[in-house]
Amino acid sequence: NAGVMQNPRHLVRRRGQEARLRCSPMKGHSHVYWYRQLPEEGLKFMVYLQKENIIDESGMPKERFSAEFPKEGPSILRIQQVVRGDSAAYFCASLPGQGNEQYFGPGTRLTVT
Amino acid sequence: DAKTTQPPSMDCAEGRAANLPCNHSTISGNEYVYWYRQIHSQGPQYIIHGLKNNETNEMASLIITEDRKSSTLILPHATLRDTAVYYCIVTNPGTYKYIFGTGTRLKVLA
Repeated sequence: NAGVMQNPRHLVRRRGQEARLRCSPMKGHSHVYWYRQLPEEGLKFMVYLQKENIIDESGMPKERFSAEFPKEGPSILRIQQVVRGDSAAYFCASLPGQGNEQYFGPGTRLTVT
Repeated sequence: DAKTTQPPSMDCAEGRAANLPCNHSTISGNEYVYWYRQIHSQGPQYIIHGLKNNETNEMASLIITEDRKSSTLILPHATLRDTAVYYCIVTNPGTYKYIFGTGTRLKVLA
């Protein structure tokens, strides 16, 4: 049973480019969370999605950031016009339903040059 | 802000029990205590969770005080591979969101 998969594992973008981060949840999991982690800090909640629905995006910056979890395929976190401050590790987590423990992927490390 | 307070760092000798404390004095009646750990820069790994009773699994034990204002995660025989940052999280299953603090950096010493 494969775990949560994220790709790419490392992503380098120049300022102003777009970054697309993908998360494939565990089989049978229909809930996905995205978190961001800056160096030496804990993870910060960004967004919670179910298939085709955004449930809570209160942790996501209002501009440049968007997320989706389509009926088919992985969840996508999209960052437009990246800036240096977007450099961080981005983790997704999945679970089969609300109220269960979350299973985290290995993360995508975004570096903006 | 995180609803928990943990010491920033702890050391433990290999083979000994590691006891990691967590204060959550504002916990509500329906909120659970979850423990995760993050080894190096990997994704957090679930360890254990509980509501009010003590819990044990193959990884650890969780002791929750009777007033539920604090808890202790116990790794019974720490190994070098247990070196990690340990996060204590209080969450209401109905709100589903985890708020991570800065955790406790546990170093297991040979």
